[in-house]
Amino acid sequence: EDKVVQSPLSLVVHEGDTVTLNCSYEVTNFRSLLWYKQEKKAPTFLFMLTSSGIEKKSGRLSSILDKKELFSILNITATQTGDSAVYLCAVSLFSGGSNYKLTFGKGTLLTVNP
Amino acid sequence: KAGVTQTPRYLIKTRGQQVTLSCSPISGHRSVSWYQQTPGQGLQFLFEYFSETQRNKGNFPGRFSGRQFSNSRSEMNVSTLELGDSALYLCASSFSDSGNTIYFGEGSWLTVV
Repeated sequence: EDKVVQSPLSLVVHEGDTVTLNCSYEVTNFRSLLWYKQEKKAPTFLFMLTSSGIEKKSGRLSSILDKKELFSILNITATQTGDSAVYLCAVSLFSGGSNYKLTFGKGTLLTVNP
Repeated sequence: KAGVTQTPRYLIKTRGQQVTLSCSPISGHRSVSWYQQTPGQGLQFLFEYFSETQRNKGNFPGRFSGRQFSNSRSEMNVSTLELGDSALYLCASSFSDSGNTIYFGEGSWLTVV
C-alpha cells in the first residue's frame, strides 16, 4: 500500500525561527513529490520535486528531494505568523499508463507565535 | 485567469439523501480530480477524470460517483448519505495527464445530519 508520512504532526515556534518539515514515502511508480500549504481553505501549491538533490526555492521557503532515501524536507527560514498553516506533502504516482493520482500525508500543523 | 471553482461552498444534508457537487476547472485544464478531506483521514483521493473518462478511482464505496462533461466541468455525486460523509470535498485541476502541478478549488463543505 502506498504510504506518505509527515513529521512532526504539529510544531509551535516563535517568529524568526527556522523550521524543517519532513516527508517520507513508500510508494510504487513514483512520479513526483509536491508540497502544499493549507490555511482555512484550499491547499495552495508550493513546490513540485522530481529530481534528487536539486533544491527548489521560493523566498524563505525551500525544499529538496532524496529519491534514494525516499524523503523530502521543506525548510522555512525567518518564520512569520503568516506561515501558520498545515503543510501537506503529496506524492504523485504513475497509475495505469500516463495517469496519475496524489497520495497525501496527514500534514504538519505549523503554528508561529509572535 | 480564474481558478478552480466549486459549488456549492457549504451545504447541509440529511442521512439517506443524495448530493451533487460541481467543479469548473481552470480554463484549458482537462484533468479534474476529487478529494475528500476529514480531520481523521486527511486528504483522500476519490477519482480523476480526463476527457470525460474516469481514469483512476480511490478506495471509496460505489455511493461515490462522478462524471466529466465535454467542457471539462465535473460533478461528483454521493448517494444515500451517511454521517461519515461529512467532509470537505476538494476538486483539483491540471493541464494534462503528464503530472503537471494540480491546483485546488476552495472546496465544498458537506455536513450530514
